[in-house]
Amino acid sequence: NAGVTQTPKFQVLKTGQSMTLQCAQDMNHNSMYWYRQDPGMGLRLIYYSASEGTTDKGEVPNGYNVSRLNKREFSLRLESAAPSQTSVYFCASSALGTDTQYFGPGTRLTVL
Amino acid sequence: SQQGEEDPQALSIQEGENATMNCSYKTSINNLQWYRQNSGRGLVHLILIRSNEREKHSGRLRVTLDTSKKSSSLLITASRAADTASYFCATDWRTSGTYKYIFGTGTRLKVLA
Repeated sequence: NAGVTQTPKFQVLKTGQSMTLQCAQDMNHNSMYWYRQDPGMGLRLIYYSASEGTTDKGEVPNGYNVSRLNKREFSLRLESAAPSQTSVYFCASSALGTDTQYFGPGTRLTVL
Repeated sequence: SQQGEEDPQALSIQEGENATMNCSYKTSINNLQWYRQNSGRGLVHLILIRSNEREKHSGRLRVTLDTSKKSSSLLITASRAADTASYFCATDWRTSGTYKYIFGTGTRLKVLA
């Protein structure tokens, strides 16, 4: 089992460009999450999906969109990247009715 | 706003010593978790303690929870160089039956060999 995988590992964008961060899990988990981690700020929840077909906003959703493509995959899209979105992005998943989250290795995004 | 705040922000100890880090939170919780993050990696779940529990052990880890003070502590006994990492507490935030968590800012632990 690969667990939670994320692509790409690194990305550099120019202001105004768009891109999609991909996340997939092979643990048959119902819930999936996108976080961003900035220095000294801990992790902040961007969006989450409690189950296939549903998505909801987290703490910092502005500037992002998500798609729960199927039970395995949950993507995060930046339509028009801004320097303030420079961060490390983590995807996580959890099984139905449980609290433990499993994290991917992260995507380091720099917006110039 | 952050629900959990860890202190200290950074901690440096010698191998074999114990490391204690604390987490304070603001609102009522159902449970609290601790995670570890090695440099450049994703977070790894360490332990979960429920609001009706006061103490929990897992190997060299001991977690306490004081709901009256809205605080938790993580003790790592007989620390090793491999324990060098950042440690985060996460408190639950539940709406519409969905499990969501708010993470603190973390404690950076350095264990010197």
